[in-house]
Amino acid sequence: GQQVQQSPASLVLQEGENAELQCNFSTSLNSMQWFYQRPGGSLVSLFYNPSGTKQSGRLTSTTVIKERRSSLHISSSQTTDSGTYLCARISGSFNKLTFGAGTRLAVCP
Amino acid sequence: EAGVTQSPRYAVLQEGQAVSFWCDPISGHDTLYWYQQPRDQGPQLLVYFRDEAVIDNSQLPSDRFSAVRPKGTNSTLKIQSAKQGDTATYLCASSPPGQGTETLYFGSGTRLTVL
Repeated sequence: GQQVQQSPASLVLQEGENAELQCNFSTSLNSMQWFYQRPGGSLVSLFYNPSGTKQSGRLTSTTVIKERRSSLHISSSQTTDSGTYLCARISGSFNKLTFGAGTRLAVCP
Repeated sequence: EAGVTQSPRYAVLQEGQAVSFWCDPISGHDTLYWYQQPRDQGPQLLVYFRDEAVIDNSQLPSDRFSAVRPKGTNSTLKIQSAKQGDTATYLCASSPPGQGTETLYFGSGTRLTVL
């Protein structure tokens, strides 16, 4: 089955609204990471977050490793936030990444 | 500093044809990854190298896929006889020595369509 489950699968916001994206892991993990992918573009790492809370601008990531979950909060969304947000489980001695299917976010003006 | 460069940007094939994808990682990065990303799914690791050595290729369909990195710099991923199920974006990523996935850089990918 799916090792990494992301929710919601898609989300539409009005500019200025907040969003909460969830990532749940069915098996144990060393750490996790959040990525952003613009349509037709490459992936960019947002947060490497093994535990606790990390913030960068309007983005906040919170990971609770014991509960095998992580969230990404986007505050005061902007149209430029549109794209796909992917979370990944990091595991094994070679730090293998296992990705979820992503949350597709559209922010409308 | 140049990023991870991939070519071609797009490829369209008939089933049974062969195709090669090329990746030039960031200079000095010893670890190189190839991922396959089907539409509306997350990337799935195919193979990764440290320098010229294959570290993990357990997810690479070995009957039709091959990957090399002969000098520990550029890498080529080849599909011998493409199938419609190979339709996906193929992503290359690299990271510097001694660093984990927190310093992973991705290329823009090659979007493959197999008709």
